[in-house]
Amino acid sequence: AQSVSQHNHHVILSEAASLELGCNYSYGGTVNLFWYVQYPGQHLQLLLKYFSGDPLVKGIKGFEAEFIKSKFSFNLRKPSVQWSDTAEYFCALTGRGSYIPTFGRGTSLIVHP
Amino acid sequence: GAGVSQSPSNKVTEKGKDVELRCDPISGHTALYWYRQSLGQGLEFLIYFQGNSAPDKSGLPSDRFSAERTGGSVSTLTIQRTQQEDSAVYLCASGGTSGPYEQYFGPGTRLTVT
Repeated sequence: AQSVSQHNHHVILSEAASLELGCNYSYGGTVNLFWYVQYPGQHLQLLLKYFSGDPLVKGIKGFEAEFIKSKFSFNLRKPSVQWSDTAEYFCALTGRGSYIPTFGRGTSLIVHP
Repeated sequence: GAGVSQSPSNKVTEKGKDVELRCDPISGHTALYWYRQSLGQGLEFLIYFQGNSAPDKSGLPSDRFSAERTGGSVSTLTIQRTQQEDSAVYLCASGGTSGPYEQYFGPGTRLTVT
């Protein structure tokens, strides 16, 4: 069975602080990995994705994530957060060849101005 | 262009009643997903439609839950004999023709069973 763990359920930062949200997964094969974001009052939207190739992927709004296969991790990073980054962040995976994703429980990020 | 729309946005129903939730996917998207999001939980996959293929119903929690997709477009999720534990936000997402899919989510329907 596949699973996704997001260990940080709530993160509070000040503006300009660096961000790293953890995502670890369990799956016995090749994976596709995603980060989704849900801003207050808005729909879930794709932030970035990893399918293959360069393990460091860049997404919208200055976010990036690194796929470390040996650690089964896909942590999300941003060097300097803004108040507008306040949102819920979800990590997800699909097994290669599957179209059914498994989502983590989400991390709530609050950025104080 | 228009995104995924869902209706109603909020639904309050009494325990034991049936409810229908509607999803209008992005035009041309062949994939359609239903998820359930309970408070403090991640998204729980319910059902997946791809074109005219038989849907993947592996995530439906009980036989009280069913879904249809008519004409490869609009989908309806039906919950029969609702229970209080069915209270959640029900999200619909649609995706394009290439995989793995990037999913485009709707605003969700908040269902409250009293």
